[in-house]
Order: sequence, then structure tokens, then C-alpha cells
Amino acid sequence: EVQVVESGGGLVKPGGSLRLSCAASAFTFSSYSVIWVRRFPGKGLEWVSSTSTTGTYKHYADSVKGRFSISRDNAKNSVYLQMDSLRADDTAVYYCARTSGYLTDVWGQGTTVTVS
Amino acid sequence: NFMLTQTHSVSESPGKTVTISCSGRSGSIASNYVQWYQQRPGSAPTTVIYENNQRPSGVPDRFSGSIDRSSNSASLTISGLKTEDEADYYCQSFDLNNWVFGGGTKLTVL
Repeated sequence: EVQVVESGGGLVKPGGSLRLSCAASAFTFSSYSVIWVRRFPGKGLEWVSSTSTTGTYKHYADSVKGRFSISRDNAKNSVYLQMDSLRADDTAVYYCARTSGYLTDVWGQGTTVTVS
Repeated sequence: NFMLTQTHSVSESPGKTVTISCSGRSGSIASNYVQWYQQRPGSAPTTVIYENNQRPSGVPDRFSGSIDRSSNSASLTISGLKTEDEADYYCQSFDLNNWVFGGGTKLTVL
């Protein structure tokens, strides 16, 4: 089954760090860009970061720039989101998804990050 | 910075047609493609429209998307409403390399 699965969420204190992972299976991972999107409790979606197929191009929302870092390992079919200097307003469910062109067609079920 | 604005909520009866709007601010909605995502409670988002009006495989043709340059807005229309369509809907476009989401519209089908 074509899927992406997030892991690494949890409870962390303000100022702490977490590393989220997004593991892909059953498709040619290196052919797809990957995005991270988060949903705040009771609120909407926010794009967090994206990486190109080779990891050459990386982009970040202003709200996480300088604190979060995205990377990928195509040999391991995985993308990572290193989150440092976490704040209470980073509390959210984090989703990864594969994207090609303008179509984002495979989403993970999300991993919950709580900063408190 | 380019922004997308959506009505907070809308409700309609089963079998009816509803249109959800997404207005562009500080830029032209036509400058880049608009996508629409559905998120049911407790579930991950799914894509229902991409490239303004394209449906991914598996999305029923009850879902359609359009752009109106004159009002600088995009619309998602759902016809033949079903209770399973009750969800939050988000429009999305781009500001340079940054993804921009609208605030979301909660659709209630009752």
C-alpha cells in the first residue's frame, strides 16, 4: 500500500527539541517532494516546510524559520523534521505528505506534538 | 504577503449544492493554482481539487473547483451533498515558494 507514516511526536518542554520522521513505502520516494503541514488544536492548517526530490531545495514558513530544519534520506525513504527551540504555539498535529507538481495525494495520519 | 480568506462556516441540507469561497488578498488568485483539501474530524487532510479544477483519482465529480479573476476568488462547489461531506475545507495556493492556506470553512450537512 502506498503510504507515508509519521512518528516522533510527543510531549516536550518549551525550549526543547523533537525530531519527526516521515517514512514512505510502496512508491518511488525519490520522485516526490515532501511537505510538512500542521493543524493547531481547534484551528486550521499551516504549512511548515517542504523539500524537493533530492533535498536540494528546502523552504520554511516564517513561523519556524531558524528553528526547524527539514532533511531527507532517499536511501531510507524518509524525511525528517528537526524541531528546536520549541514553543507552546508549536503544539499541533504534524502531517507529512508527498507531492508532485500541484497534487498532494498521499497524506500520513499525523503525529501529535505538545509543548508544555 | 499573499493571503487566502474563507468564510468560517456554512451549512446545507443533504442533496443540495453548496459553494465554498476563497478570496485572495494582497495578490492575484490567478497567479498560481488553487488546491482544495477536505479534513474530516480526527482524520488527515485529503485533496479534493488541484490545479484550480482537477479532481484526483477517486474524488467524485460532485466536487468541482473554479477561479473568478474578477472577484479574485476561488470556489469549491459540492453538489448532491451527503452527510459524509461534513468536514473542514481549506483552499491553498502559493506565495513564491511558500504554501498558503486559507483559514478553513466548516461545512455542516444537516
